Amino acid sequence: ETGVTQSPTHLIKTRGQQVTLRCSSQSGHNTVSWYQQALGQGPQFIFQYYREEENGRGNFPPRFSGLQFPNYSSELNVNALELDDSALYLCASSYGINNQPQHFGDGTRLSIL
Amino acid sequence: DQQVKQNSPSLSVQEGRISILNCDYTNSMFDYFLWYKKYPAEGPTFLISISSIKDKNEDGRFTVFLNKSAKHLSLHIVPSQPGDSAVYFCAAPREGYGGSQGNLIFGKGTKLSVKP
Repeated sequence: ETGVTQSPTHLIKTRGQQVTLRCSSQSGHNTVSWYQQALGQGPQFIFQYYREEENGRGNFPPRFSGLQFPNYSSELNVNALELDDSALYLCASSYGINNQPQHFGDGTRLSIL
Repeated sequence: DQQVKQNSPSLSVQEGRISILNCDYTNSMFDYFLWYKKYPAEGPTFLISISSIKDKNEDGRFTVFLNKSAKHLSLHIVPSQPGDSAVYFCAAPREGYGGSQGNLIFGKGTKLSVKP
């Protein structure tokens, strides 16, 4: 059974740039959720994708957008990067929109200079 | 508005003793709770969960207790081992188990250090 994988592991960008983070869900899982974890905080929900459609969104601006592909992998795109976007971005997968537990990848550490 | 609160940022325990990590919540709609463990440079790993129809769930060295009237849950680790040193997060599905959305609400975490 393949777990959740995320790429890249680390990324450095400058303010105003755009970034794409990628996630492959655990085998058999059809739902992907994205979370942002700032330093010293718990993960904060960004949005969830189920069957290639967005199913719920947290308190994040529209410059955070996503996609889910037919193989259930997913992308998180962030435009017009700001310094506060520096964080660990976590992807979690599950079978079904509210089936627990969600299984997390190791995250992408994004640093904005 | 922090709906899941872990008020102790850190906890230090001697190997072999009990570790007790606490979590409080404010939303009465929460009916399912999860504990995740996170090592540095790794993602959160699911540890144990509990439904609100129970007041205790046990899995090996790990036991979670739920006090619904106090809106409080705790994770007990007995005996504690150095490998348990990690950050522990308490979480709950925003709309309850089986709701229309699966987003988890997390506490800020408690860093557990188990000393040999």
